[in-house]
Amino acid sequence: GQNIDQPTEMTATEGAIVQINCTYQTSGFNGLFWYQQHAGEAPTFLSYNVLDGLEEKGRFSSFLSRSKGYSYLLLKELQMKDSASYLCAVTDSNYQLIWGAGTKLIIKP
Amino acid sequence: GAVVSQHPSWVICKSGTSVKIECRSLDFQATTMFWYRQFPKQSLMLMATSNEGSKATYEQGVEKDKFLINHASLTLSTLTVTSAHPEDSSFYICSARGGPDTGELFFGEGSRLTVL
Repeated sequence: GQNIDQPTEMTATEGAIVQINCTYQTSGFNGLFWYQQHAGEAPTFLSYNVLDGLEEKGRFSSFLSRSKGYSYLLLKELQMKDSASYLCAVTDSNYQLIWGAGTKLIIKP
Repeated sequence: GAVVSQHPSWVICKSGTSVKIECRSLDFQATTMFWYRQFPKQSLMLMATSNEGSKATYEQGVEKDKFLINHASLTLSTLTVTSAHPEDSSFYICSARGGPDTGELFFGEGSRLTVL
């Protein structure tokens, strides 16, 4: 079956760095997404990785290793507004999006 | 980036009535749109895949006669919740894909449905 695993919840301190991991097992692979979702709102696109390596975008970076079925989202200089759920999603060979359950990130002062 | 607009953002209705939610791609043609439902503190759950000009493909466990999906044009898909009941109260989100080989999705703002 197809499966996306990510931690349920993580806690970090304002100003620090946090890494949210995502592992996947899917029928084929056509890209991995990270989305941010604040409570009561629709997901917001953060990053898209289709090739191995690190993609940096401001305070957020996303890494992909296709051979390991692994990705992480790295958030630097954490701010209180970064408290949200972070969703990992993989596009399979049919371009269907398989969603992880999301990681709730709690930022403490 | 591409914009997907969803309307209405909030809707409250009486039990037994029907509610229509619209999803529009504003600056691109969306050959495929997806409808999701999200209950509090849970992840997105795909309800159906809507392809322009053809019948929607529903996920297992989703009643096609209750959740009517119409994708009559390349810029509009609608979800109609028929004979709504309180257990249908949820956050409904649409997303659109620009083409058959494009993986990136663009999300609407979401529609919060409350059935009294």
